[in-house]
Amino acid sequence: GAVVSQHPSRVICKSGTSVKIECRSLDFQATTMFWYRQFPKQSLMLMATSNEGSKATYEQGVEKDKFLINHASLTLSTLTVTSAHPEDSSFYICSARDVGRPGQYFGPGTRLTVT
Amino acid sequence: SQKIEQNSEALNIQEGKTATLTCNYTNYSPAYLQWYRQDPGRGPVFLLLIRENEKEKRKERLKVTFDTTLKQSLFHITASQPADSATYLCAFYGGSQGNLIFGKGTKLSVKP
Repeated sequence: GAVVSQHPSRVICKSGTSVKIECRSLDFQATTMFWYRQFPKQSLMLMATSNEGSKATYEQGVEKDKFLINHASLTLSTLTVTSAHPEDSSFYICSARDVGRPGQYFGPGTRLTVT
Repeated sequence: SQKIEQNSEALNIQEGKTATLTCNYTNYSPAYLQWYRQDPGRGPVFLLLIRENEKEKRKERLKVTFDTTLKQSLFHITASQPADSATYLCAFYGGSQGNLIFGKGTKLSVKP
């Protein structure tokens, strides 16, 4: 139980283009999902909290116009990296909480490379 | 600001031994701590949660302790196996939004 999927697992895009990453809770409903970024040998850094049916809450220093988050249903949140630059290359991971279960459940991550 | 530290970046041990990983926190008193396992190129996997009123929690070969006086949690893997090799992260809910804050992790390598 409490499975979270992400798609794609890897993506390479050219500088200036946009990339969409999908995060799905497969066997539970998630009113709240979280988007993290992780650089090599670094901890997970929370980018934003995605709330179903409302605007996302972004952490300080994260550009909301660059990282667009949409949480249109109880099982799907999307992160769109707009006008990607090489410095956006990173490992993006989503997660969700399942009410009644301890902990937070993470997707397998998406490796974004911007060339 | 709230800080969570895992002092050892890496830990190498021999198969069969007990691995002990340390997590310290400052400027906060979390109601509970969590431990996760992360394999390379994968998202973290939840392992255990321990509450502040629990001294110790066990799950199979895993044991977690929580000392609110020392502001420290210890994570033990007994009878370690090469398959236990991974990065282990501790975390607590904190921050302005009550979000999950992670330590940098300790990379455990178990040699056969």
